[in-house]
Amino acid sequence: EVQLLESGGGWVQSGGSLRLSCAASGFTFTNYVMTWVRQAPGKGLQWVSTISRGGGTTYCADSVKGRFTISRDNSKNTLYLQLNSLRAEDTAVYYCAGGSVVVLNHHYMDVWGKGTTVTVSS
Amino acid sequence: QSVLTQPPSVSAAPGQKVTISCSGSSSNIGNNYVSWYQQLPGTAPKLLIYDNDKRPSGIPDRFSGSKSGTSATLGITGLQTGDEADYYCGTWDSSLSAVVFGGGTKLTAL
Repeated sequence: EVQLLESGGGWVQSGGSLRLSCAASGFTFTNYVMTWVRQAPGKGLQWVSTISRGGGTTYCADSVKGRFTISRDNSKNTLYLQLNSLRAEDTAVYYCAGGSVVVLNHHYMDVWGKGTTVTVSS
Repeated sequence: QSVLTQPPSVSAAPGQKVTISCSGSSSNIGNNYVSWYQQLPGTAPKLLIYDNDKRPSGIPDRFSGSKSGTSATLGITGLQTGDEADYYCGTWDSSLSAVVFGGGTKLTAL
């Protein structure tokens, strides 16, 4: 079964840090461009960060640049998101998602996790 | 403020057809491929359409996608109450080097 399972969410005070993990199974992880997408309570989807298949190229939203870092360990079939200097506006459900995309102008996400909740208290 | 523009809500009677528009610019929709996602209440998003008009396996042919210039459209025929959800368009933005989404459209089956 194709699956992404996020973990690491929780409650943290403003200025704190968290590390999210996303374990992949049931598909060839190295064939997938991986992305973190978040959704604040009652709001729409917001792209956070994307990493290439090999992990050598990353892209990040301006709102989290310099604070969040995406990475992956293909030997462990796991995607990560390091969240530093957290703010109240980072409160959201964080989804891990992947797409068997060859070039980014075809970007899509056909595998999604169930999400992990991050709550930042000010 | 989302880079891609969608109507906040659409509605139609069960059995009818509904369309959801997604408007962008040359740096995103105009020169890249569009995907559409369905998010049922309380669940993760699900891919409905990729590469403008392709359906993943398991997605019924009631769902269709099209693109013209800097706009894209999701069509749903034979509307069912189970289709009530939020729908999002997405694409790559070459100028921003970012994935961009529309603000989402809430579909109601009257």
